[in-house]
Amino acid sequence: DAMVIQNPRYQVTQFGKPVTLSCSQTLNHNVMYWYQQKSSQAPKLLFHYYDKDFNNEADTPDNFQSRRPNTSFCFLDIRSPGLGDAAMYLCATRWAGEGETQYFGPGTRLLVL
Amino acid sequence: ILNVEQSPQSLHVQEGDSTNFTCSFPSSNFYALHWYRWETAKSPEALFVMTLNGDEKKKGRISATLNTKEGYSYLYIKGSQPEDSATYLCAYITGKLIFGQGTTLQVKP
Repeated sequence: DAMVIQNPRYQVTQFGKPVTLSCSQTLNHNVMYWYQQKSSQAPKLLFHYYDKDFNNEADTPDNFQSRRPNTSFCFLDIRSPGLGDAAMYLCATRWAGEGETQYFGPGTRLLVL
Repeated sequence: ILNVEQSPQSLHVQEGDSTNFTCSFPSSNFYALHWYRWETAKSPEALFVMTLNGDEKKKGRISATLNTKEGYSYLYIKGSQPEDSATYLCAYITGKLIFGQGTTLQVKP
């Protein structure tokens, strides 16, 4: 089945220790998104890629970076995680031109100690 | 700042009860509203895409209505079952998805 896969599902890191979350897709979609969802809050868009074009949200902290080496993979790098970065991170994809519905992975829950 | 609000934040019902919850969004320049269902340990999945004022969509026991003039959408579940337990998210479309914080439904057998 075509899908969006996120690894790992749970990630524990230490305060200030860089961490990378990964997302892969078999849908061949050209748009990939990263969302952050803190407890009891709405998922918040961090950035997205339209093909290779990176689009950062204005209020996304500089601590968050992303890479998309090819169509299938997208990475979220947190350079120096703080306690406030503990959250669920969701990856989503979409084929631009086929509506706005996004297809989500199951998320990675990040814990910062 | 665009605000999408969902209520209630959580809901506990007995199996067989019918229930509904609300998504409120800006009524001006409406384009579309999505409903997603997010079961624990799974991926959020799209339930409905609502575009026209007065839209009513249905999938099995779940249905949704849309009022773009007053800026709200209702999601109804008839005869709730334990497998309906999930977080239901609405998302307002404005070049990107602006999510509400979700309504978490727990259906007790």
